[in-house]
Amino acid sequence: SYVLTQPPSVSVAPGKTARITCGGNNIGSKSVHWYQQKPGQAPVLVIYYDSDRPSGIPERFSGSNSGNTATLTISRVEAGDEADYYCQVWDSSSDQGVFGTGTKVTVL
Amino acid sequence: EVQLVESGGGLVKPGGSLRLSCAASGFTFSSYSMNWVRQAPGKGLEWVSSISSSSSYIYYADSVKGRFTISRDNAKNSLYLQMNSLRAEDTAVYYCARDEEMATKPLTVDYWGQGTLVTVSS
Repeated sequence: SYVLTQPPSVSVAPGKTARITCGGNNIGSKSVHWYQQKPGQAPVLVIYYDSDRPSGIPERFSGSNSGNTATLTISRVEAGDEADYYCQVWDSSSDQGVFGTGTKVTVL
Repeated sequence: EVQLVESGGGLVKPGGSLRLSCAASGFTFSSYSMNWVRQAPGKGLEWVSSISSSSSYIYYADSVKGRFTISRDNAKNSLYLQMNSLRAEDTAVYYCARDEEMATKPLTVDYWGQGTLVTVSS
């Protein structure tokens, strides 16, 4: 089965840039979506189709995808960005949805 | 305003059954593919099942295949998940989730419900 690997945690100071990676075999050939989940809340879509931002998501959130790694970048990090972040793809070879292991972003 | 409201969760014994429902409003339900995603306590997100707008395409995670059945009633704007032969490891919050309108693949979720808790324990 297809596996997506994320770092368990990322720490960043306010105003700095956080980069969250999502590793998977040839993930660059798939569309990657990213979700933000705050404690006790449902997830929220922050990036879809690798780099598109849904309406209402700040421009500080951006995404890229190439080779074996997709990356979510949060620029000018704010305290409100503290959350768990999950990458996700659809694996067409097995017709299965796959979520990454999740990354907890801590704002110092 | 898009709303997805799950119901039907609760405590069930191992081997038992439960039927989850998701009531959709604020959009044309029959035009969208839908999904169930779960999250065990303190754990990450896990995809469970997806169904296309007309129920032509249905997919299941290997972990639930043969035990769970996804369905929908477009006339009632409702999504369902029939869960049989439940196990302790099925304990989780179950989210109803809508695919974005132009999704090219399943599980391109733009809206999530608040979830319903299913606890499997004797």
